Amino acid sequence: SQQGEEDPQALSIQEGENATMNCSYKTSINNLQWYRQNSGRGLVHLILIRSNEREKHSGRLRVTLDTSKKSSSLLITASRAADTASYFCATDASGTYKYIFGTGTRLKVLA
Amino acid sequence: EADIYQTPRYLVIGTGKKITLECSQTMGHDKMYWYQQDPGMELHLIHYSYGVNSTEKGDLSSESTVSRIRTEHFPLTLESARPSHTSQYLCASSASGSRDTQYFGPGTRLTVL
Repeated sequence: SQQGEEDPQALSIQEGENATMNCSYKTSINNLQWYRQNSGRGLVHLILIRSNEREKHSGRLRVTLDTSKKSSSLLITASRAADTASYFCATDASGTYKYIFGTGTRLKVLA
Repeated sequence: EADIYQTPRYLVIGTGKKITLECSQTMGHDKMYWYQQDPGMELHLIHYSYGVNSTEKGDLSSESTVSRIRTEHFPLTLESARPSHTSQYLCASSASGSRDTQYFGPGTRLTVL
């Protein structure tokens, strides 16, 4: 079964608004990563948060991690049309180098 | 900009053909991965490698095979393509160490008729 489940599956917002997407996972992890994928392309790494961190920022991105609830959220502030993409969380299973990707959230930012 | 390349970007072939999808990276990364992704869906790990002469099957069963003879090269081969193999194939690599960011290639979109 999937390690990472994301919600919502799809999100449509107006430019300038904030977008929040959530990821839940099942097993203990070393770290959790968020990636962006533009249509038909490879994934681009956005941010990594370690299991002993609770919050991390990078530009307009803010990621939180709650290991007790096995969940993470990605917040994109002041969204732009160029943020339109699919966003995936990826978790590593402790003790392995494998990453399991979530189902993804398709974000559409309307100009 | 990630230095990881995949060729071809698009491939349309007939059933029964043997194909090899190429993946190369110039970052000296030990770990390399192949994922399969249907449009709008999640990624499924089909093969991975921790280094030269090391290959492992991933979580999704696949009829493909891989080899890792050189650090920079991780080709994926389908001996006899079928329409069920139609999908996007993504290659990724990551360095050893504590920060396991994966760098992805642009993908190969395979269509088997």
